[in-house]
Amino acid sequence: GESVGLHLPTLSVQEGDNSIINCAYSNSASDYFIWYKQESGKGPQFIIDIRSNMDKRQGQRVTVLLNKTVKHLSLQIAATQPGDSAVYFCAESGTSYGKLTFGQGTILTVHP
Amino acid sequence: DVKVTQSSRYLVKRTGEKVFLECVQDMDHENMFWYRQDPGLGLRLIYFSYDVKMKEKGDIPEGYSVSREKKERFSLILESASTNQTSMYLCASTTRQGEPSYGYTFGSGTRLTVV
Repeated sequence: GESVGLHLPTLSVQEGDNSIINCAYSNSASDYFIWYKQESGKGPQFIIDIRSNMDKRQGQRVTVLLNKTVKHLSLQIAATQPGDSAVYFCAESGTSYGKLTFGQGTILTVHP
Repeated sequence: DVKVTQSSRYLVKRTGEKVFLECVQDMDHENMFWYRQDPGLGLRLIYFSYDVKMKEKGDIPEGYSVSREKKERFSLILESASTNQTSMYLCASTTRQGEPSYGYTFGSGTRLTVV
């Protein structure tokens, strides 16, 4: 079936390092991808998105890369800070109702 | 600040009880969603609604039903709670028009334990 998955369930980095979180998707018809951040006790929050006609998009300290050939999505966080510690989810959408399919999530831990 | 509010943060219910989880949004969004979140499984869609009195099954609707009598309120109902429905439940809403991300707002979640 269609799915969105993550390669690594946990990632530990030192403060100031760059972090890379990966995501594999299987639905080649997906045309929109989103990264969410979920802190403990809170609902997921939007970080950055990318359309399937793009291969890179940058935000503030974050970059999303999309490789449609291998159906791979990544989130890069520059100069990772302790406040970046959270669970990160990728999600894909291909419908007009905004229905999203989520990956399993990666736990990012940033050590001071 | 726009909000999606879930009525309870923590809930403990007995097996066989009928359980109501309430979600209210103040953004005049058309679309509302109920997800459950379990370790290792991510967020899975239970039901969604794209208009008042309209509902569509998601990926795991079994054991659940929903109600959307008013635009701002979307209720998830567990007709007869079972222990395998112990989970974190997340409500979300989005506008019908435009990108999902800009209007896709989540509530803080309800952690339901069925004993």
